[in-house]
Amino acid sequence: QVQLQRWGAGLLKPSETLSLTCAVYGGTFSGYYWTWIRQPRGKGLEWIGEINHSGSTNYNPSLKSRVTISVDTSKNQFSLKLRSVTAADTAVYYCARFVVRGVIGMDVWGQGTTVTVSS
Amino acid sequence: DIQMTQSPSTLSASVGDRVTITCRASQSINNWLAWYQQKPGKAPTLLIYKASNLQSGVPSRFSGSGSGTEFALTISSLQPDDFATYYCQQYSNYPYTFGQGTKLEIK
Repeated sequence: QVQLQRWGAGLLKPSETLSLTCAVYGGTFSGYYWTWIRQPRGKGLEWIGEINHSGSTNYNPSLKSRVTISVDTSKNQFSLKLRSVTAADTAVYYCARFVVRGVIGMDVWGQGTTVTVSS
Repeated sequence: DIQMTQSPSTLSASVGDRVTITCRASQSINNWLAWYQQKPGKAPTLLIYKASNLQSGVPSRFSGSGSGTEFALTISSLQPDDFATYYCQQYSNYPYTFGQGTKLEIK
């Protein structure tokens, strides 16, 4: 059973850098796109971006100038950095697995990390 | 970006009812559409992929249909566990985008 476990700082000040990591347990790392999604409290889902095991990335243009997603295949981990955060970046952040073979969609999700940006 | 519009935003129904949620894309996405269920405080779970394919382990009362720009999620007989928020998502074009969600409430 594949599991995604995430960690990172939950409280940031404006202008700081959000940094989250997601570790993949119980499955292979290749053949998928590893994805970050966020959800402001009480609102809908926003796709942030994704990375595969080779390091190929795709980003949401609305965040692209501030986002970096990276991968560490030796640890089966992938990470999100979001620079210059503001209150608008306050949200629950999810990591998820997008299944490329068969183009299934995001079939495994992590639990979500609440990130609050406040001075 | 492709805009995904769900309707209704809120749906009140009773156990045993048949309900349908629709999702419209601002341009054709062929059948590159997924449906997710989300319960309060939890991550979404995948129900349907490629518009009409039931994800493994999902009850058969859930079904999806449509292609191009018009899609639907149908629950044939609502169960108490089905009261949740549902999202459609297109993965035809980057950036992938979600509908605004449909909250399914108990009548």
